[in-house]
Amino acid sequence: DTEVTQTPKHLVMGMTNKKSLKCEQHMGHRAMYWYKQKAKKPPELMFVYSYEKLSINESVPSRFSPECPNSSLLNLHLHALQPEDSALYLCASSPRGKAEAFFGQGTRLTVV
Amino acid sequence: AQKVTQAQTEISVVEKEDVTLDCVYETRDTTYYLFWYKQPPSGELVFLIRRNSFDEQNEISGRYSWNFQKSTSSFNFTITASQVVDSAVYFCAIRMDSSYKLIFGSGTRLLVRP
Repeated sequence: DTEVTQTPKHLVMGMTNKKSLKCEQHMGHRAMYWYKQKAKKPPELMFVYSYEKLSINESVPSRFSPECPNSSLLNLHLHALQPEDSALYLCASSPRGKAEAFFGQGTRLTVV
Repeated sequence: AQKVTQAQTEISVVEKEDVTLDCVYETRDTTYYLFWYKQPPSGELVFLIRRNSFDEQNEISGRYSWNFQKSTSSFNFTITASQVVDSAVYFCAIRMDSSYKLIFGSGTRLLVRP
């Protein structure tokens, strides 16, 4: 089982809204990631959590706020986003001792 | 710095043709991992293969095969007897042993026509 589940699948939000993206995995993976993918571009790393601690923040603007409440759940809180933040947001996780990451289906976010 | 180059932006083939997707990487690290991912229109990135830097054995999985050559810093992917369901964007990626970060190439869009 290599399932990473993301909700919602689609999200439209205004620039003054606050919303959250959710990611869940029940494979016991202890590394979890958020990637951002603009249209026709490769994914780019935003954040990494390792054992529920923030390990990497790729200089992401503070309007994106990650949270890892437990080993199975990863959230991305969004506030005061800009239209250029519209993208596919992908969550991933890695098994302990393995280099590969398994991705969810993503949340397609549109900021209006 | 690490870099992955996928020079082929788009490839179009007719079903049952063989197709090779090229991937060239750059790194100064001695321990690293190379990957191929498939991204169908639905958006999910599907993990296909990981290769460790110290293991240059080529691999075959069904219609898929991978050729890893450290001498040319290449990790090419061949699909034999392509099928319409192979149509997707394929990404090559690298990760250093010292980091969680996956660095992707720009991707190759493969269209397999019936």
